[in-house]
Amino acid sequence: NAGVTQTPKFRVLKTGQSMTLLCAQDMNHEYMYWYRQDPGMGLRLIHYSVGEGTTAKGEVPDGYNVSRLKKQNFLLGLESAAPSQTSVYFCASSYSLQGRVFGSGTRLTVV
Amino acid sequence: SQQGEEDPQALSIQEGENATMNCSYKTSINNLQWYRQNSGRGLVHLILIRSNEREKHSGRLRVTLDTSKKSSSLLITASRAADTASYFCATDAGVTGGGNKLTFGTGTQLKVEL
Repeated sequence: NAGVTQTPKFRVLKTGQSMTLLCAQDMNHEYMYWYRQDPGMGLRLIHYSVGEGTTAKGEVPDGYNVSRLKKQNFLLGLESAAPSQTSVYFCASSYSLQGRVFGSGTRLTVV
Repeated sequence: SQQGEEDPQALSIQEGENATMNCSYKTSINNLQWYRQNSGRGLVHLILIRSNEREKHSGRLRVTLDTSKKSSSLLITASRAADTASYFCATDAGVTGGGNKLTFGTGTQLKVEL
């Protein structure tokens, strides 16, 4: 039982480049989330999904897009990376109104 | 915006002592959750307390919730060096607009020294 798996673990991008972060969960959770964590800011919700084929905006959605084509996968895309998107990105999943299970994170640096 | 605010921001204690962290929030909640994050790792869910509960225990953890004061506390008893981590409270306002959004505080950094 792997839980929540994020790939890649580290990435360095140049400004303007694009990339996709992949999140996979094997717990049959309906809900999936993408957060970013910055020093002194706690975790902030970027986008979330309440089921296959559905996505919604969180607190800081600008500059990101997501897709949930399969229940077990939740993709986070950066179309044109900016230095302000340097952060640690966490994916999480859950059943409704229960504790989140987090992945180990992706450390992204945009130069 | 941050819903939960932890206090203190940092706490250093000796192994065997108890550690208490507090969390205050601003709006009505469905439940409040506590998470632990070891350095460089993802968050781990510790405990969830619902708005109609006042106290909950899990092993060496004790969580209280006072909805009238919009505050919660996490007590770790008989602390160990392995408890060294950042601890976050997170408030869940329930299912709104089709999804539930967990809002995290900025965390308390706990250091347990031998």
